[in-house]
Parts: sequence; C-alpha cells; structure tokens
Amino acid sequence: DIQMTQSPSSLSASVGDRVTITCQASQDISNYLNWYQQKPGKAPKLLIYDASNLETGVPSRFSGSGSGTDFTFTISSLQPEDIATYYCQQYDTLCAFGPGTKVDIK
Amino acid sequence: EVQLVESGGGLVQPGGSLRLSCAASGFTFSSYAMSWVRQAPGKGLEWVSAISGSGGSTYYADSVKGRFTISRDNSKNTLYLQMNSLRAEDTAVYYCAKDPLEMATIRFDYWGQGTLVTVSS
Repeated sequence: DIQMTQSPSSLSASVGDRVTITCQASQDISNYLNWYQQKPGKAPKLLIYDASNLETGVPSRFSGSGSGTDFTFTISSLQPEDIATYYCQQYDTLCAFGPGTKVDIK
Repeated sequence: EVQLVESGGGLVQPGGSLRLSCAASGFTFSSYAMSWVRQAPGKGLEWVSAISGSGGSTYYADSVKGRFTISRDNSKNTLYLQMNSLRAEDTAVYYCAKDPLEMATIRFDYWGQGTLVTVSS
C-alpha cells in the first residue's frame, strides 16, 4: 500500500503570508496527486488535480507542484476564508489520503 | 449543477447492517465512476470503495473488503453502500464522491454533504 505523509500537521500564519504544505508518497506516484480543502463541518473541495492543475473556479493564489514522491501545495497570500484542513490524495494505486494539515490565522 | 445527496445513516449495533444511498443529479450519472469516502469523528479522510460508471468494476479498501458492497442503479441515478458486520471503528461520516471519468480513477471532483453512521451498543 502507498502511504502518504504531510507536513506540517498544523500551522498558524498571518493574512497575506505565503503558506507551504508538503506531501510525500512512500513510492513513485508520478503526478497522480490531488489537493483538497475541507472547512469545518463541510465536505472536502477539490483545489488541485494531477499535482499542479488548478480546478475550475479555484482562486489562483492556490498552486501545486511536484512529481514522483515529493509534492508541494502553496497558498501565495493567505486569506481569512482559507482557514481549513488541507489533504493530499494519491490515486496511482487505489486511493490514499494524507493525514491533513490544519491551517489557522495567527 | 452537480448534486449528491446521501441518506441512510443512523445508529446501528455492532454486527448490524445498514445501507447508504446517494442520489445524484445535474450530470449523466452512468458516465462517471463514483466512490464512498468516510471520516471518523475528528479524524482524516479514508477512501472506502469505488465503482465504475457501468457498475462492472468495483474496488474496496482492505478495511471493508468482504463486509461492504458498493453498487449503483443507473436508471435511478443512485449509488449504494451495503454495510454488513459493522464495527465501532466504522463510525464515521460517509461521503459519496464523483469521479471525473467513467473508469474509476478514484479521484473526486464533487462531494456530497455526508451521512453519519454510528456503530454503538
């Protein structure tokens, strides 16, 4: 089974800050990686697919990069509405989610 | 507009059974694979099962294999999850999620709002 790790598990940043989350797969998953945002009490929402493609309607301050085993998710300028937990997900072999990164406003 | 509405959750005793449903609208249901993803209280996301658009291919997480069965009725635009031999660790909000392709790539572009399953005596 492919295992996914994320770091950090939580972070606190100021409005306008650049925020970076990393995700690592236990084996090569090419670019079969998505990023989701989940706000409290809500369903997850797809932000980035195939590692670096922005889902339609998602603000351009969100971006993703990487391939193979190492991936990065970035919010270029953190906004109050970005408070959420962010999950990476591989779909190279079935499906596995990372444990999530909780983002708060400092 | 894509809409996915889950139902069927509730309280069930350990060892019991429950069937979840997910009513889909706003897209050609039979053209897309579907999945169930769950989230235990205060925990992360766990993929449970997927089914291709035709229903001919199904996939399961090891944690539910042999106990859960995914199915779909394309004439009713409805996805199902039959859950048997339920355990306390199956307690979670269960989401149905749409795949962007007919074959199950097991990635999700739309999600329902979820239905809570509680397994407890």
